[in-house]
Amino acid sequence: GQQLNQSPQSMFIQEGEDVSMNCTSSSIFNTWLWYKQDPGEGPVLLIALYKAGELTSNGRLTAQFGITRKDSFLNISASIPSDVGIYFCAGQPAYNDYKLSFGAGTTVTVRA
Amino acid sequence: NAGVMQNPRHLVRRRGQEARLRCSPMKGHSHVYWYRQLPEEGLKFMVYLQKENIIDESGMPKERFSAEFPKEGPSILRIQQVVRGDSAAYFCASSPVGSEQYFGPGTRLTVT
Repeated sequence: GQQLNQSPQSMFIQEGEDVSMNCTSSSIFNTWLWYKQDPGEGPVLLIALYKAGELTSNGRLTAQFGITRKDSFLNISASIPSDVGIYFCAGQPAYNDYKLSFGAGTTVTVRA
Repeated sequence: NAGVMQNPRHLVRRRGQEARLRCSPMKGHSHVYWYRQLPEEGLKFMVYLQKENIIDESGMPKERFSAEFPKEGPSILRIQQVVRGDSAAYFCASSPVGSEQYFGPGTRLTVT
């Protein structure tokens, strides 16, 4: 699969702060997806992006599909304790639709 | 609408035994994918199946691993003669045609 570089690897944030993480690839993607994984659970889909330049929100979450189709970012505004978890970006390459490539994840810990 | 179901959630096997992991896709989803996750890593694609067909098994080791999605019943990921390196979390995802993948809670396999 394609190599995705996700950063930062981890972050400690104060409750109420905004959080930003991003993902880059050496290849273009047709679709960018952002998932959240809680300990002992499977990834839960947060946001799906389908077009270059697209900006999509889901509550306090906002994600963008980069113009070059090689990057995406996720913002969490006004973080709360339940935002704790591991956030993964995933891309679906243009040449086949189904094979998701995942980043290594960003671990978010919130200080109350 | 029930989500993707996986069982067992935890499985312990001794080296040399067989592991069978089951996945029931979401209702209305005819596409099933299996991924493996090692500790502190992202998910890695293994295999993509539709009913009675393996579409892409390029991410699955050639030896000891097999997958099926029969006409009736769940998809099965089978690992024969398990070794310690097979210890990981195995996730199943399902999707309708050409759409986002939704993940199950995973099976945590421990080989002793």
